Amino acid sequence: GAVVSQHPSWVICKSGTSVKIECRSLDFQATTMFWYRQFPKQSLMLMATSNEGSKATYEQGVEKDKFLINHASLTLSTLTVTSAHPEDSSFYICSARRDRAYLDFSYEQYFGPGTRLTVT
Amino acid sequence: KQEVTQIPAALSVPEGENLVLNCSFTDSAIYNLQWFRQDPGKGLTSLLLIQSSQREQTSGRLNASLDKSSGRSTLYIAASQPGDSATYLCAVRPRGSGGGADGLTFGKGTHLIIQP
Repeated sequence: GAVVSQHPSWVICKSGTSVKIECRSLDFQATTMFWYRQFPKQSLMLMATSNEGSKATYEQGVEKDKFLINHASLTLSTLTVTSAHPEDSSFYICSARRDRAYLDFSYEQYFGPGTRLTVT
Repeated sequence: KQEVTQIPAALSVPEGENLVLNCSFTDSAIYNLQWFRQDPGKGLTSLLLIQSSQREQTSGRLNASLDKSSGRSTLYIAASQPGDSATYLCAVRPRGSGGGADGLTFGKGTHLIIQP
């Protein structure tokens, strides 16, 4: 299988505090992981691409100083929402691309179960 | 910029019917297209992935087609069941400036209800 986990599954925090969300590939290595955000009744929007051992690539409009991404190993990426505000309340989902032995741009992403963040 | 549109936004049908969900994308330069299922408050379950060189993929009662040149895909669900009720998302992986590791561009989904 190709299982991706996220922790925590839900979190409530006070405005101004920071929250860390973990994304783990449980049974495969993932040099590249992705972070998405989903607001109610909206689709998933890519926030950033996380690369093991290098800096993350952020999509336009996403503040890199607010959403800190660390991809410290081949199975773990973390997203830290710093100085969270109520407008950051959302459903955060990560995905992982399974590393392949051959060069192939046609790959599948495996998604985690998501983390529901509520900022009060 | 790639945009993905799904029609209809919502659909309610009686159990047992066959149904088709539609997805269109504005830029045909894609590596692949993927259909997902999302249950309320949950993550995504991948249903089918179609490479850009393929025309269709099948899994059980699901069949997805891809017409890359016209920017369209359909998800066909045969003999629908109440357990099929969920939001179905279509996503493409664009060929773009990011090289081989770009994320997916999603549609807003079709909210499907199968009435018992």
